[in-house]
Amino acid sequence: RKEVEQDPGPFNVPEGATVAFNCTYSNSASQSFFWYRQDCRKEPKLLMSVYSSGNEDGRFTAQLNRASQYISLLIRDSKLSDSATYLCVVNFVMAGGFKTIFGAGTRLFVKA
Amino acid sequence: DAGVTQSPTHLIKTRGQQVTLRCSPKSGHDTVSWYQQALGQGPQFIFQYYEEEERQRGNFPDRFSGHQFPNYSSELNVNALLLGDSALYLCASSLDADTQYFGPGTRLTVL
Repeated sequence: RKEVEQDPGPFNVPEGATVAFNCTYSNSASQSFFWYRQDCRKEPKLLMSVYSSGNEDGRFTAQLNRASQYISLLIRDSKLSDSATYLCVVNFVMAGGFKTIFGAGTRLFVKA
Repeated sequence: DAGVTQSPTHLIKTRGQQVTLRCSPKSGHDTVSWYQQALGQGPQFIFQYYEEEERQRGNFPDRFSGHQFPNYSSELNVNALLLGDSALYLCASSLDADTQYFGPGTRLTVL
């Protein structure tokens, strides 16, 4: 079983739609969580951190459920510019440092 | 404030050669992590440097080595290149275990 798993998609949605991505992680010692966005042939860019209390940034809402080891990202009112790959990222803090595990990414296509 | 920079942007090598990739972290960051991203996959953690020492390592062979300099910049070295080493190599910097910021990557092609 992979340490971080995501539905690879692709998700094809019309503009204005609401879309949700899920991510599960296997290591209960995981300490911090993030969603990154990656455009084709570009580097990942931080979209938002994910907190147990949930957090919202404009049209984007992230949720963390530690009991179920589950992270989600909700995008409301999708725009064409939201088309990208969304990467779920988990940090495991270990003795002497931390280790970062990326999911394989979920591809989103928003169409006019 | 410059972000994370990497050089070169593209590189073509042949099997068996050696390559060195370079990374300058974001100002104020002390930790550099390196990742390999194959086409269609998420980035895979190679190793992490902090205070000029390798602190954590992923499941990569010893052909992959690195270094961090006193100014926190870092190098990734890959020896005896294989076709399968062709990938985008990403460097990310952070202040210890805080949020990581990525450079634009070096695209390595091994022929």
